[in-house]
Amino acid sequence: AQKITQTQPGMFVQEKEAVTLDCTYDTSDPSYGLFWYKQPSSGEMIFLIYQGSYDQQNATEGRYSLNFQKARKSANLVISASQLGDSAMYFCASFTVQGGSEKLVFGKGMKLTVNP
Amino acid sequence: NAGVTQTPKFRVLKTGQSMTLLCAQDMNHEYMYWYRQDPGMGLRLIHYSVGEGTTAKGEVPDGYNVSRLKKQNFLLGLESAAPSQTSVYFCASSYSGSLPASEQYFGPGTRLTVT
Repeated sequence: AQKITQTQPGMFVQEKEAVTLDCTYDTSDPSYGLFWYKQPSSGEMIFLIYQGSYDQQNATEGRYSLNFQKARKSANLVISASQLGDSAMYFCASFTVQGGSEKLVFGKGMKLTVNP
Repeated sequence: NAGVTQTPKFRVLKTGQSMTLLCAQDMNHEYMYWYRQDPGMGLRLIHYSVGEGTTAKGEVPDGYNVSRLKKQNFLLGLESAAPSQTSVYFCASSYSGSLPASEQYFGPGTRLTVT
């Protein structure tokens, strides 16, 4: 069964600094995808970045990059030059297709607070 | 484009009452999903649909039913609400359900309280 672990309940970072949000996953499927979503206090879920298990390079999207270490089963999100608007909950999720059944499994999330 | 919309935004039910949550998307997506989010938890998949007229169970389907009569709409029903169903419900849609996975677009959520 898929499992996503986000062990950091909360983190604080100074504006303009970089921050790494940890995510480890557990899946036996050879093919899978990894997502990061942001949930600000307003409640909506915002897609940030995606990494496929067979992608050769780490994914990047603007200030977001994914530090994908397949052997360690980790998919950490790196946010460079933090902004006040980055304060939010962040969720890591894994996607697999098992027997024709698509599954996106989310971690419990972690709260990032960016201080001025 | 409106993206994914959900109706209603808030609802309070008494135990045993029924209700239907409506999700609509205007992106012509084949795949649609219903999740619930409880405090301190990530999202958990209730049911999903891979196309018009199809539905499938997710991780926590008990107490819920769904229907996808039109491609753009995905309905979530609670036949007899229980306090354990107090949660925030999110609908999502995506273009593809295979790998490489495509982004799921989420609605704004429905906050449901069952007393």
